[in-house]
Amino acid sequence: DAKTTQPNSMESNEEEPVHLPCNHSTISGTDYIHWYRQLPSQGPEYVIHGLTSNVNNRMASLAIAEDRKSSTLILHRATLRDAAVYYCILEYGNKLVFGAGTILRVKS
Amino acid sequence: DVKVTQSSRYLVKRTGEKVFLECVQDMDHENMFWYRQDPGLGLRLIYFSYDVKMKEKGDIPEGYSVSREKKERFSLILESASTNQTSMYLCASSLWGRANEKLFFGSGTQLSVL
Repeated sequence: DAKTTQPNSMESNEEEPVHLPCNHSTISGTDYIHWYRQLPSQGPEYVIHGLTSNVNNRMASLAIAEDRKSSTLILHRATLRDAAVYYCILEYGNKLVFGAGTILRVKS
Repeated sequence: DVKVTQSSRYLVKRTGEKVFLECVQDMDHENMFWYRQDPGLGLRLIYFSYDVKMKEKGDIPEGYSVSREKKERFSLILESASTNQTSMYLCASSLWGRANEKLFFGSGTQLSVL
């Protein structure tokens, strides 16, 4: 199985950028890197995904290391509504296998 | 927007009961998934389906079965509920069979087996 490693928790101040790291040293050449987040009392929601190049969308940016063994989700200006569990996920046989994720706390 | 609807938000059942968890999606997605979520373990895949009447085992299928008679509906069945099946159950759907498609999740069903 392709596995990911994330810190258990991180804390950020409101209006500041947040960099959420993820290690995936066993990634294969065709595995996409996905990020989802789960707000309290809700199902996970898609944030962003990428293969090799950095990706941007209205929610976040994804920076992928050149060797693809790690990636970083960047929230450019954290708000209180960004407090959630963030999951970094790789494919596994056409399935997404979720780990425990990173709990992001945002302080006002 | 895609909507994935799970029939119950909270459910309480007794040990040994047969339990049905229902999931409906309204965007004509081919793929549907059932996960369970437990504290500290993240989401674990139980079963998934790429087409009507088709099913594949995920990572923890023991004690569960599924049914997909119509494209929009994917049911998770606990044949004889046990206390270790107390968990949050999440249904998801996606458009194609490749994992680089987005998953859309329902809000979850919190099942308690007493």
